[in-house]
Amino acid sequence: EDQVTQSPEALRLQEGESSSLNCSYTVSGLRGLFWYRQDPGKGPEFLFTLYSAGEEKEKERLKATLTKKESFLHITAPKPEDSATYLCAVLGGSNYKLTFGKGTLLTVNP
Amino acid sequence: DGGITQSPKYLFRKEGQNVTLSCEQNLNHDAMYWYRQDPGQGLRLIYYSQIVNDFQKGDIAEGYSVSREKKESFPLTVTSAQKNPTAFYLCASSIYGGNEKLFFGSGTQLSVL
Repeated sequence: EDQVTQSPEALRLQEGESSSLNCSYTVSGLRGLFWYRQDPGKGPEFLFTLYSAGEEKEKERLKATLTKKESFLHITAPKPEDSATYLCAVLGGSNYKLTFGKGTLLTVNP
Repeated sequence: DGGITQSPKYLFRKEGQNVTLSCEQNLNHDAMYWYRQDPGQGLRLIYYSQIVNDFQKGDIAEGYSVSREKKESFPLTVTSAQKNPTAFYLCASSIYGGNEKLFFGSGTQLSVL
């Protein structure tokens, strides 16, 4: 059974204070690791897909990296508008269903 | 603008009542999904459909039913058999099943009166 564990559960940063979110996973044959951003009361919004260890992708202040056991979402010089819950999900080779982690609630204070 | 529309935004269910959540997409996507989100838990898959007139149970299908009569529409019925229906329900679509870059709607919050 595929499993995803995100840490920390919640993270509070000051504006400009860089940090990283972690997504650890166990999966049979990784077909893709996905990061989503979810604002309160809204549906998740797609950020990145990573397919193989060593791959990196960037979007504005966000950078996602992937190893064989975990993925990191690095946030550089965050702004208050980066406050959201960040969800990680994996797609394994044994099925066509995403397995989601519980998310990390990020709060960036001005 | 292309996207996924869920309605209503808020829904209240009386005991013993069936309620239906609407989901419509104009992205021309083949696959559609229903997820349930509870506080402190990851998204859990209820049902998914890869093509019209076909759908499969997800991990928590008991107490729910769906139909896929049109490519654009994938309504979810929460039946009276679902004893704990209070949750945030999310509909999503993808270009085809297995390509799990999902596009989500804005969700429906269902509560029990």
